[in-house]
Amino acid sequence: DSGVTQTPKHLITATGQRVTLRCSPRSGDLSVYWYQQSLDQGLQFLIQYYNGEERAKGNILERFSAQQFPDLHSELNLSSLELGDSALYFCASSVMQGAQETQYFGPGTRLLVL
Amino acid sequence: AQSVTQPDIHITVSEGASLELRCNYSYGATPYLFWYVQSPGQGLQLLLKYFSGDTLVQGIKGFEAEFKRSQSSFNLRKPSVHWSDAAEYFCAVGARQAGTALIFGKGTTLSVSS
Repeated sequence: DSGVTQTPKHLITATGQRVTLRCSPRSGDLSVYWYQQSLDQGLQFLIQYYNGEERAKGNILERFSAQQFPDLHSELNLSSLELGDSALYFCASSVMQGAQETQYFGPGTRLLVL
Repeated sequence: AQSVTQPDIHITVSEGASLELRCNYSYGATPYLFWYVQSPGQGLQLLLKYFSGDTLVQGIKGFEAEFKRSQSSFNLRKPSVHWSDAAEYFCAVGARQAGTALIFGKGTTLSVSS
């Protein structure tokens, strides 16, 4: 158990819908990363937040957005869903040891868009 | 471009035999290096990491990895594989600065035969 929690574990929805994925980082971790794992693209970085502020963006679609709240949990919002958005979505929180950073991953949310 | 290559998509090893999973990276500078394991239906678990120092690093579950700068490689090894090691293994690299997303390889699926 990494200490990172994600809800829900599974999500089934229809095209055009909007969903929200939730992530709670490990206690004390200020940074949250979101990744998407799909069969064709592998593990791709989406977006990172640090202490409530967006820090970096990766291959995140405009239909997707995220935020990190004062209690440091984060939510990833996916809208106008398409079949191709079906994937496993991971969040990771990180611990710093000086400049050395280690990311610990949650169990993921499996999204199926029908 | 920064990338991670895991040349073997699928490997089958007999229980008790040794294992080596290959990982090569292309990066502007020497990155931080990680191996993660994903069991079926599970999240990503950190096996080991390399930041600096001794190029042979020990991880959990009896795994080790060796960083070879000249070959841009970070191969994962285990002297004796157990059936419970069957999973998908991901090599990842990160920049030597905080707040950088990981770049993952496509993964190697390990099957263990009895």
